[in-house]
Amino acid sequence: AQSVTQLDSQVPVFEEAPVELRCNYSSSVSVYLFWYVQYPNQGLQLLLKYLSGSTLVKGINGFEAEFNKSQTSFHLRKPSVHISDTAEYFCAVSEVGGTALIFGKGTTLSVSS
Amino acid sequence: DAGVTQSPTHLIKTRGQQVTLRCSPKSGHDTVSWYQQALGQGPQFIFQYYEEEERQRGNFPDRFSGHQFPNYSSELNVNALLLGDSALYLCASSLGYNSPLHFGNGTRLTVT
Repeated sequence: AQSVTQLDSQVPVFEEAPVELRCNYSSSVSVYLFWYVQYPNQGLQLLLKYLSGSTLVKGINGFEAEFNKSQTSFHLRKPSVHISDTAEYFCAVSEVGGTALIFGKGTTLSVSS
Repeated sequence: DAGVTQSPTHLIKTRGQQVTLRCSPKSGHDTVSWYQQALGQGPQFIFQYYEEEERQRGNFPDRFSGHQFPNYSSELNVNALLLGDSALYLCASSLGYNSPLHFGNGTRLTVT
């Protein structure tokens, strides 16, 4: 079975500052990794995914994440955030060939001016 | 190109009642998954339908059942509603059962 731990429930940051949202996972099998964003009263939108290959993954809206197998982490980063990045961010994992996503509890990113 | 559409957007039910939620997948998608998102939590996998059959199921009781129709749309049924069933129910579609999911905006179910 897999599990996901998002290490920060809330991350406040000022506009144009860099941000890192941390995600650790646990699994006994190979996994795919994902980051999703959820804006208020909306569903989830895929930011980026790691399936295989390069451990540095670039996604939409200037976000990127790095897969670290030895530390079982998949942290999300953005060099300069905007007010519009304020949202809930979810890290998720699925086993390779699996069908179900296991989500973390989410991190609320609050960007202020 | 319509994305994943869910209906209704909001629903209020009483304990013990039954509810049916509906989902139309993104055009070209053939697989539908359902997730339950309680307030302040991440989504939890309920089940996935592919070729009109339940392909995988999460840790949810039999009160939760579903169906997929030949046009790939899907329904989620919950019987004997409990207060704890209050949540946002998300439908996600994909092309095949192992490709990135596209989520709808969800149905907010409140059980009183």
